[in-house]
Amino acid sequence: AQKITQTQPGMFVQEKEAVTLDCTYDTSDPSYGLFWYKQPSSGEMIFLIYQGSYDQQNATEGRYSLNFQKARKSANLVISASQLGDSAMYFCAMRESLTDSWGKLQFGAGTQVVVTP
Amino acid sequence: DGGITQSPKYLFRKEGQNVTLSCEQNLNHDAMYWYRQDPGQGLRLIYYSQIVNDFQKGDIAEGYSVSREKKESFPLTVTSAQKNPTAFYLCASSIAPQGKNEQFFGPGTRLTVL
Repeated sequence: AQKITQTQPGMFVQEKEAVTLDCTYDTSDPSYGLFWYKQPSSGEMIFLIYQGSYDQQNATEGRYSLNFQKARKSANLVISASQLGDSAMYFCAMRESLTDSWGKLQFGAGTQVVVTP
Repeated sequence: DGGITQSPKYLFRKEGQNVTLSCEQNLNHDAMYWYRQDPGQGLRLIYYSQIVNDFQKGDIAEGYSVSREKKESFPLTVTSAQKNPTAFYLCASSIAPQGKNEQFFGPGTRLTVL
């Protein structure tokens, strides 16, 4: 069963505007973490932001913030003031069982973002 | 600078040949991973290793093999048993496999089997 769902295959956003990328997840584990990665056309995966299931506050990292709604099992990434360099594929990932020795990262299918001037 | 290197960036092989993809890290990370990415899709875990001389199968290990003889190195061999090997392969490492530790990725190797 799909653990991470990203329903937006692609989207266009104008420079300097904010964009929200959706991510919903499925787990029965009370302890989990959610990660967002950016993949430019070069292919390398770049870590953006992390949210733990027990974190009280929504995570923020510069222009990136997470809209974490635990009851809805969603962890949407918000990019504020989009820049041309933000054009990339964005992946949401989840690690279940944070306290176990092995918590695999499970990735969604990604959302392609194109920032236009 | 610390990081993960993968070589080569592009690799072409004939069907039926084994091929080994290199992954080296100088981050002093214990955990290393291999992922496969197909066009328009997310990453799928092939193998992972927590310590030297120990590794575990991921979700799609069939047709692949790995070794972890040194902490810095985690090469992946794509064997002739892998039915559809053409893909983008990403290597990653993390300081530890659990908790909030993010994975750091290499630049990837694009394998094309002709």
